[in-house]
Parts: sequence; structure tokens; C-alpha cells
Amino acid sequence: GAVVSQHPSWVICKSGTSVKIECRSLDFQATTMFWYRQFPKQSLMLMATSNEGSKATYEQGVEKDKFLINHASLTLSTLTVTSAHPEDSSFYICSAKDNFGNTIYFGEGSWLTVV
Amino acid sequence: DAKTTQPTSMDCAEGRAANLPCNHSTISGNEYVYWYRQIHSQGPQYIIHGLKNNETNEMASLIITEDRKSSTLILPHATLRDTAVYYCIVRVHLDSSYKLIFGSGTRLLVRP
Repeated sequence: GAVVSQHPSWVICKSGTSVKIECRSLDFQATTMFWYRQFPKQSLMLMATSNEGSKATYEQGVEKDKFLINHASLTLSTLTVTSAHPEDSSFYICSAKDNFGNTIYFGEGSWLTVV
Repeated sequence: DAKTTQPTSMDCAEGRAANLPCNHSTISGNEYVYWYRQIHSQGPQYIIHGLKNNETNEMASLIITEDRKSSTLILPHATLRDTAVYYCIVRVHLDSSYKLIFGSGTRLLVRP
């Protein structure tokens, strides 16, 4: 089946630094990708919708200057957590919709720990 | 946004069918119902989706009521590896875009 790959799977960074997470659709094109955040024992919370070639659409309460999203090609979206703080530590998950169907696939997730 | 309501938890015996209900009474006519499951510390795994008709694939069956206000995911022969959190989601349309909003999900425990 279709695969969405995230990299890195886990990352530890120092407080105040920035970290980038990549989301790739490996065998399909995705004009639209989504970024979620999940805290322990909670459900996934949609952060933003990433649109290829245009600006991302952020959910209410999500700081666009802190969570920078770039979707430069039909197979790659990146999420950059800028000036990370310990409270940004979470499980970040992306998903992508196949341009030629209605199935939406999720990546394996990326664990971010800010120390 | 259409919201979904699911039981917090359910359990079933290994080898038996697991029937997971979902209520989406505010769903609109063009909104799809998706089911995903998430095993601890992994990304959600796609199971099935549908609009109006019942759907079946190698993993499960999806039964959607005629008024589309509720649906049931059926795992015909549950195994221990089916223990996971199951999410019923409505794909919400916004102008030319859409999004998946996750609810709390149902924690399914398959007992030996």
C-alpha cells in the first residue's frame, strides 16, 4: 500500500534551537498534507493543512511563526519547530492524501524531545 | 465541523467479531467517514472509508446507516494484534479544502 515516511523518527534538541521534520509520500503525489500533534494518552490534534505551492492553513491556536510549514513539491512537506521549548515535546504526525483517490495515509510519527 | 462520538473502550474475545460503533449525526451529504487505528507510539493505520454504501476490504467492513448518522466498523475475526485505539473520523470539507478531525476514539482490547 501507499507509504508516508517521516524523518527523523525521533529527535532530541536543546531549548531555543529549531528542528525540522520531513514528511514524504513515497509512491504517490500529494497536493495536500496535514500535520498533527499528539500528547501522551490524548488524541491527535490537527495543527495545519499543508498545500503544495501555497501557504499552509493553520488551526486556531497554532502559532504559524513557531511551526513553519513548507510544501515545495508534491511528495514533500516539512515542519520546522522554531525556538523549541520543553512544552513543544510531543509526537508529531503527518498525513497525505493521494491526489488520485480519497485515501489519506499517515506517517509513522516523529518524537520530539526538547531539553 | 461534523463530530463523531465513540465508546471510550470495548473488548472482545479473540476470534470473535468486533463491532465498533460511531455516531456522526451532524454529517453532511458529501462528507466521507474514515476509520483508522493507532497502536501505541505509532502513526494511525488506515482501515477503511465510505460515503453512503457499505464497504469491505481485507481488514474490515464498514456499515453506514441509510441516514448516514452512524456507522459500524466490523473486524470479522479479531486477533490480539487488533488491540488498538480505533478512530472514526468525518472528512470535513471547507471550500476547496478538507481536513480530518480526530475524536477521542475507542480503545479496543482483544482478550485471549
